[in-house]
Amino acid sequence: NAGVTQTPKFRVLKTGQSMTLLCAQDMNHEYMYWYRQDPGMGLRLIHYSVGEGTTAKGEVPDGYNVSRLKKQNFLLGLESAAPSQTSVYFCASSTYGGGAGEQYFGPGTRLTVT
Amino acid sequence: SQQGEEDPQALSIQEGENATMNCSYKTSINNLQWYRQNSGRGLVHLILIRSNEREKHSGRLRVTLDTSKKSSSLLITASRAADTASYFCATVPSGAGSYQLTFGKGTKLSVIP
Repeated sequence: NAGVTQTPKFRVLKTGQSMTLLCAQDMNHEYMYWYRQDPGMGLRLIHYSVGEGTTAKGEVPDGYNVSRLKKQNFLLGLESAAPSQTSVYFCASSTYGGGAGEQYFGPGTRLTVT
Repeated sequence: SQQGEEDPQALSIQEGENATMNCSYKTSINNLQWYRQNSGRGLVHLILIRSNEREKHSGRLRVTLDTSKKSSSLLITASRAADTASYFCATVPSGAGSYQLTFGKGTKLSVIP
């Protein structure tokens, strides 16, 4: 059981470049989430999904897009990276929505945009 | 917007001592969760306490919830060096249709051997 995995672990982008972060979970969870963590800011929700084929905006969705074509995968895309998107990105999944149950987190992706 | 705020921001104690962290929140909640994050790693769930519960235990962890004061505390007893980490509280406001678990900024705990 790998739990929640994220690819890649580190990435450096130039301003304007695009990239996709991949999150995969093997726990058959319905709910999946993308967060960003900045120093002194805690975690903030970017987008989330309540099931295969669904996506919804979180607290800070601007500049990001997501897709959930398969239940086990949740992709986060940056179409035109900006320095303000330098952050650590965490994916999470859960059986129940929102705070009804625990969320399982991946190890994170450290992204630097120069 | 930050729903939960932890206090203190940083805490340094000797191994064997107890550590207490507090969380205050702004709106009514269904439940409150505590997570731990070791440096450079993902978050790990510690405990969930529902709004109709006042206290919950898990091993060396004790969590209390006071909904009248909109606050919670996490007590770690007999701390160990391995407890060194950041601790976050997380809440979902009560009401239908909310899926957003909102995290506080965390308390950074250092346990000195």
